[in-house]
Amino acid sequence: AQKITQTQPGMFVQEKEAVTLDCTYDTSDQSYGLFWYKQPSSGEMIFLIYQGSYDEQNATEGRYSLNFQKARKSANLVISASQLGDSAMYFCAMRGTSGSARQLTFGSGTQLTVLP
Amino acid sequence: EAQVTQNPRYLITVTGKKLTVTCSQNMNHEYMSWYRQDPGLGLRQIYYSMNVEVTDKGDVPEGYKVSRKEKRNFPLILESPSPNQTSLYFCASSSNRDRSNQPQHFGDGTRLSIL
Repeated sequence: AQKITQTQPGMFVQEKEAVTLDCTYDTSDQSYGLFWYKQPSSGEMIFLIYQGSYDEQNATEGRYSLNFQKARKSANLVISASQLGDSAMYFCAMRGTSGSARQLTFGSGTQLTVLP
Repeated sequence: EAQVTQNPRYLITVTGKKLTVTCSQNMNHEYMSWYRQDPGLGLRQIYYSMNVEVTDKGDVPEGYKVSRKEKRNFPLILESPSPNQTSLYFCASSSNRDRSNQPQHFGDGTRLSIL
C-alpha cells in the first residue's frame, strides 16, 4: 500500500517570501509519480506540478518547484515569491504503476495562508 | 474545452432516499475515479474504473455503487444514503492508465448533505 504524509496542517507566509510545504511518501513501487494540487476556497482541485520517480531533475512550473529527495522519500513543494492568491489548501499525491497502486493517494493537506 | 462535469453541485437530502451524482468527461479518458473529501482526511478514493465495464473498489467503497457503461460517464450511486456520507465528492479522469505521470483532471465537486 502507498501512503502520503503531510505533517503541516497549516502554514503562514509573508507575501513575496518563499515557502516550503512538506510531503513524505511510502511505496513499494519502483516507478511512481508525485503530484501537487491546489484547492482554493472555491473548492476546485487544480493540478500544479508533477515529478516522476525516475526524473533526475527536480520539476519546476513557474513559481512552483518540487524538491524531490528519493532516498528520503520526500517531495516538498516550494512556492517562490508568494502571492495573496496562493492562499489555499495544498495536497500532495502519488500514483504507482502496479495493481491498486495505480490509484491516486492523497495526503491530508496543508492550509497555506499568505499574509499581506 | 476539456472538462469533467459533475451534477449536481450541491444537494441536501434525507436518509434513505436514493440519489445519483453524475460525472461526464469529454477528453476520451480511460481512467475515471470518485473521491470523497473530509476535513483532516484529504481525498479518499471510493471507486475507480480502468475502462468501460471495468470498475474496482477504492479505499472507502461501502455504501456506494458505480457503473461504467460508456467511456465518458461514471455515475456515483448512493442507494440508501446515511448522514456519514455527508461530504464533498469529486470525480476525476485521466488518460494512459498504465503510466503514473498523467495528472487527473477533476470536476468542480459535489457537496452532499444527508440529513
